[in-house]
Amino acid sequence: AAGVIQSPRHLIKEKRETATLKCYPIPRHDTVYWYQQGPGQDPQFLISFYEKMQSDKGSIPDRFSAQQFSDYHSELNMSSLELGDSALYFCASSLGGQGASSYNEQFFGPGTRLTVL
Amino acid sequence: AQKVTQAQTEISVVEKEDVTLDCVYETRDTTYYLFWYKQPPSGELVFLIRRNSFDEQNEISGRYSWNFQKSTSSFNFTITASQVVDSAVYFCALSGPFSGGYNKLIFGAGTRLAVHP
Repeated sequence: AAGVIQSPRHLIKEKRETATLKCYPIPRHDTVYWYQQGPGQDPQFLISFYEKMQSDKGSIPDRFSAQQFSDYHSELNMSSLELGDSALYFCASSLGGQGASSYNEQFFGPGTRLTVL
Repeated sequence: AQKVTQAQTEISVVEKEDVTLDCVYETRDTTYYLFWYKQPPSGELVFLIRRNSFDEQNEISGRYSWNFQKSTSSFNFTITASQVVDSAVYFCALSGPFSGGYNKLIFGAGTRLAVHP
């Protein structure tokens, strides 16, 4: 079965550079979530999109932006990179339907490991 | 506010010992979901179990078992006859609906389990 695809898997950048992480959800999934996991930390929710609209926002720095495209893939753009941005970035996708009584399971991608030097 | 507490930072056991990982959660929602994920050294997040707030039945899957008690807001995870391959970081997580019906995951800090031969 198709899984969530993230690219690149590894990325090395210098301070103050920009980075773009890509996420390709499972086919027919219309919701994407981004999480950031710093070294030795738990994953922290950054932002989510449902049907190409931002649906929720967590602790995402202003230097970061994200969007979901018409084919439902999503990109996380990170500018003015700092050493503290070094982390594992996970994307997860789910099927839509955001009613208060519903739950739609998130499937995680393998993550992109970003190293900022 | 929603919160997940995993008080055990690290646990070290010898192979074949039983080990219990504790998880305590806080939420005001009446409908919520609890999860356990395993993160081996390779970094991916491996889904282990999901429980909804209306199902307090304990579950057993092979050497894994889970004890959900709403009265104490706990969702503990026991590995019976631990093996070296169980060595990983284990995360307990909580999901809404929260406000707006969106399903971001809130993770605990994780428990690092080391199983020695």
